[in-house]
Amino acid sequence: NAGVTQTPKFQVLKTGQSMTLQCAQDMNHEYMSWYRQDPGMGLRLIHYSVGAGITDQGEVPNGYNVSRSTTEDFPLRLLSAAPSQTSVYFCASRQGNQPQHFGDGTRLSIL
Amino acid sequence: AQTVTQSQPEMSVQEAETVTLSCTYDTSESDYYLFWYKQPPSRQMILVIRQEAYKQQNATENRFSVNFQKAAKSFSLKISDSQLGDAAMYFCAYSGNTPLVFGKGTRLSVIA
Repeated sequence: NAGVTQTPKFQVLKTGQSMTLQCAQDMNHEYMSWYRQDPGMGLRLIHYSVGAGITDQGEVPNGYNVSRSTTEDFPLRLLSAAPSQTSVYFCASRQGNQPQHFGDGTRLSIL
Repeated sequence: AQTVTQSQPEMSVQEAETVTLSCTYDTSESDYYLFWYKQPPSRQMILVIRQEAYKQQNATENRFSVNFQKAAKSFSLKISDSQLGDAAMYFCAYSGNTPLVFGKGTRLSVIA
């Protein structure tokens, strides 16, 4: 099993550009989440999904869109990148109340 | 909404000594789980230990143990016989009927 796979690992964007961070899991987990990690702020929840076709907002959803068309995939879209979205992004999945599995993270810089 | 507070932004410990990292949380739920995650410089999120709220017995994993005080909503992590490889960010996290909520983290340094 590959676990949770995030791509890309690093990305530099210009302000106003759009892009999609990919996340895939092969464990058939129902829950998937996106977090951003900023210095001194811990991990903050952006969006999450409790199953295919179901998504909801987390603590910091503005500027991000998600969809969950399959159990395996949970992409995060930045529609118009802003410097405030410079961060490290983590995708995670879990089943029920089992521990969460994390991807290796994506370091995103927006100039 | 649930919140998790880690009041120690930084801690240090001598190699082979014991250190305790603090965590408090706020919730109205009765059934939930608590976690400690370790994040070394590699950026990976590594599960250290997990505690079910309905269990009175404190969880232990080798050199890592917790002091879970449900009434006080406290969940501290004790690291015994600290090793250089324990140096990392440590995050306390809460999971109930919502996705995982994290504290802001404690950076642990281990002094040789």
